[in-house]
Amino acid sequence: VQLVQSGAEVKKPGESLKISCKGSGYTFSNYWIVWVRQMPGKGLEWMGIIWPGDSDTRYSPSFQGQVTISADKSISTAYLQWSSLKASDTAMYYCARPGSSGNYHDAFNIWGQGTMITVSS
Amino acid sequence: QSVLTQPPSASGTPGQRVTISCSGSSSNIGSNTVHWYQQLPGTAPKLLIYTNNQRPSGVPDRFSGSKSGTSASLAISGLQSEDEADYYCATWDDSLNGYVFGTGTKVTVL
Repeated sequence: VQLVQSGAEVKKPGESLKISCKGSGYTFSNYWIVWVRQMPGKGLEWMGIIWPGDSDTRYSPSFQGQVTISADKSISTAYLQWSSLKASDTAMYYCARPGSSGNYHDAFNIWGQGTMITVSS
Repeated sequence: QSVLTQPPSASGTPGQRVTISCSGSSSNIGSNTVHWYQQLPGTAPKLLIYTNNQRPSGVPDRFSGSKSGTSASLAISGLQSEDEADYYCATWDDSLNGYVFGTGTKVTVL
């Protein structure tokens, strides 16, 4: 069971971006996927979750309207995207999966390796 | 700004016991189970404790968790050099309707 994320990106302010998180070794549709931000030298922040089975999505109020979470269950992949990046989006982004199917309150026992996003002019 | 408060740092010599506190409220720790994550330098977080005091397979029994009321704690007994890491508590918050992480504690082995 693993989550593999897309590689690091360097972008300019105002550009768009979509990063990915591919699951394998389990039935992707049956587990929530969460996205977590970690700004340089800072702590972990829960951004939102998606149920790949029907793309039911919930956002943290802090990130609502700032990013879009989506999934394509046919290729076992979840996405996090920005339409217009800002310098303050510079951070490491992790996807993760709870240990039990159907419970998004559960602890995240599977983590991706992280995707570093750098936004600089 | 996190709703779960942890001390910024903790330290101990090899073999000592270190305890990390996590303070919350009735809407988070008071009504949901607590999880703990370990983040070694330059790596993704790893689940250390789930459902207040349960260890995933492979986590040494030197690590233990507890919860009382609106607070939780993580204890590391027999501290080892490889325990140098950042530790985060986390739980669901019913008021925010979201998952919240603690402010994080950096553990240093002297």
